[in-house]
Amino acid sequence: DSGVTQTPKHLITATGQRVTLRCSPRSGDLSVYWYQQSLDQGLQFLIQYYNGEERAKGNILERFSAQQFPDLHSELNLSSLELGDSALYFCASSVAKAGTGELFFGEGSRLTVL
Amino acid sequence: GNSVTQMEGPVTLSEEAFLTINCTYTATGYPSLFWYVQYPGEGLQLLLKATKADDKGSNKGFEATYRKETTSFHLEKGSVQVSDSAVYFCALMNSQGGSEKLVFGKGTKLTVNP
Repeated sequence: DSGVTQTPKHLITATGQRVTLRCSPRSGDLSVYWYQQSLDQGLQFLIQYYNGEERAKGNILERFSAQQFPDLHSELNLSSLELGDSALYFCASSVAKAGTGELFFGEGSRLTVL
Repeated sequence: GNSVTQMEGPVTLSEEAFLTINCTYTATGYPSLFWYVQYPGEGLQLLLKATKADDKGSNKGFEATYRKETTSFHLEKGSVQVSDSAVYFCALMNSQGGSEKLVFGKGTKLTVNP
């Protein structure tokens, strides 16, 4: 158990819909990262937050947004969903602001868009 | 840009066989290098890391040496076990330019048969 909690574990929805994925980091960790894992693209970095502020941005679509709340949990919002958004979305956390590369991953939220 | 290339799987071995999973990288400057492992149904977890040239990371019988001259970080284990069956990801982190995200390879699935 990594200590990172993600909900929901599975989600099935239709094209055009909007979903929210939630992540609770390990106790004491201030950084939260979101990754998308798909068969064709592999693991793609989406975005990082540190203590409530956006720290780094990756290949995140404009239809996607995220935030980190004062209690340090984070939410990833995916809107106007397309079939290609079907993937496993991972949240990871770490204690450091300056990344050490030592991330603790949750078990992921599997999104299926029909 | 930064990228990681690792050998495509799947790799199937018998118990006690020798394992090598090749990983090469492209990066500016001096990245840190990592191997992460993903067991079935779980999130990724850090297996080992090396932060500078000629460093050797090791854990659970796995080893990898940071070779700057060949830009490689191959994963090895002398005698694999059934419990090593998982997907292995090579990754780099390059803090140059303020980018601290992990860049992952596409993963190599290892199956170890008894």
